[in-house]
Amino acid sequence: AAGVIQSPRHLIKEKRETATLKCYPIPRHDTVYWYQQGPGQDPQFLISFYEKMQSDKGSIPDRFSAQQFSDYHSELNMSSLELGDSALYFCASSGGGYYGYTFGSGTRLTVV
Amino acid sequence: AQKVTQAQTEISVVEKEDVTLDCVYETRDTTYYLFWYKQPPSGELVFLIRRNSFDEQNEISGRYSWNFQKSTSSFNFTITASQVVDSAVYFCALSEPNTGNQFYFGTGTSLTVIP
Repeated sequence: AAGVIQSPRHLIKEKRETATLKCYPIPRHDTVYWYQQGPGQDPQFLISFYEKMQSDKGSIPDRFSAQQFSDYHSELNMSSLELGDSALYFCASSGGGYYGYTFGSGTRLTVV
Repeated sequence: AQKVTQAQTEISVVEKEDVTLDCVYETRDTTYYLFWYKQPPSGELVFLIRRNSFDEQNEISGRYSWNFQKSTSSFNFTITASQVVDSAVYFCALSEPNTGNQFYFGTGTSLTVIP
């Protein structure tokens, strides 16, 4: 069965650079969620989209933005990267009346 | 305030021992979902179980079992006859479908199974 696809799996950026993370949800899932997991921490909710509209917002920094496109994939754009942005970034999708999530394998971002 | 509390930060057991991971949650919603995820060193979040608030039946899946008690707002996870491959961080999570459906994770319990 198709899963949530995240790309890239690993990303190394320098301070003040920008990064774009991509998420391809399970087919027919209309909702996408982004989470950030710092080292030794639990995942923290950043933002979610339903039917291409932002549906909920968590602790997402102003330097970050995200959107969901017409094909339901989503991108998380991160600018002016800081060392503290180094984390695992998870995308999850849900839909079709199922209230659970399916998580992607995550993107490990390292800012140096 | 933390909606999901996992009081055990780290647990070490010897292989073949049983171990219970505690999870206490807090919600005002009558409809909610509880989850357990396993996060091995490779980092991915592996889904273990989902339980909705209307189903208090305990569940067993192989060496894993879950005890859901609404009266104490707990959703504990027991691994029977632990194995080295069970070593991982385990997260309990809560979602409230009527208020955004975002996940609230506990802080995780790091389980080490010693051979």
